[in-house]
Amino acid sequence: NAGVTQTPKFRVLKTGQSMTLLCAQDMNHEYMYWYRQDPGMGLRLIHYSVGEGTTAKGEVPDGYNVSRLKKQNFLLGLESAAPSQTSVYFCASSPIRFNEKLFFGSGTQLSVL
Amino acid sequence: KNEVEQSPQNLTAQEGEFITINCSYSVGISALHWLQQHPGGGIVSLFMLSSGKKKHGRLIATINIQEKHSSLHITASHPRDSAVYICAVKGSQGNLIFGKGTKLSVKP
Repeated sequence: NAGVTQTPKFRVLKTGQSMTLLCAQDMNHEYMYWYRQDPGMGLRLIHYSVGEGTTAKGEVPDGYNVSRLKKQNFLLGLESAAPSQTSVYFCASSPIRFNEKLFFGSGTQLSVL
Repeated sequence: KNEVEQSPQNLTAQEGEFITINCSYSVGISALHWLQQHPGGGIVSLFMLSSGKKKHGRLIATINIQEKHSSLHITASHPRDSAVYICAVKGSQGNLIFGKGTKLSVKP
């Protein structure tokens, strides 16, 4: 069972570079989420999707864009990376109701120099 | 003041001990989650509860809605229980508010 798969697991960027993080789930879940985790802080929601073709802003959306063209995939893009975006990024999904029974990916460690 | 407070921040226990991790919140909620983050970083959902008590193996989660407080108990703790335990509350708007986590270390 693959569950929720994030790629890449690690990445180092220079300020101003762009990149896309991919999240894929094979459980046919409706809801998908992108979080960031920073030292000394709780997880914070960046963007989320309530179904294929939909996206919405979370708590800290600035500097990020997302797309959900296929139900199983949720992409997180950084157009012009900044050092403040150094963080661990987690993707999650849930099957039926928003923010219930969450399944998480293994995380992506991103460093922006 | 944080909307979700966990205590203690760090906890060291000996194998076999009974462990309690606390979560207090200040907002109205519809549900509360307990999550486990492994040393390797992966996050697993342990419980979601809105009232009373839930049990899974050696883990027990309780919630008191009136007191806005939840506890996670681990009976007969084992070194493999070493992890960060995270409380998250689902607010009335449906959003999740996460605590900062409690780092548990169980020594053999």
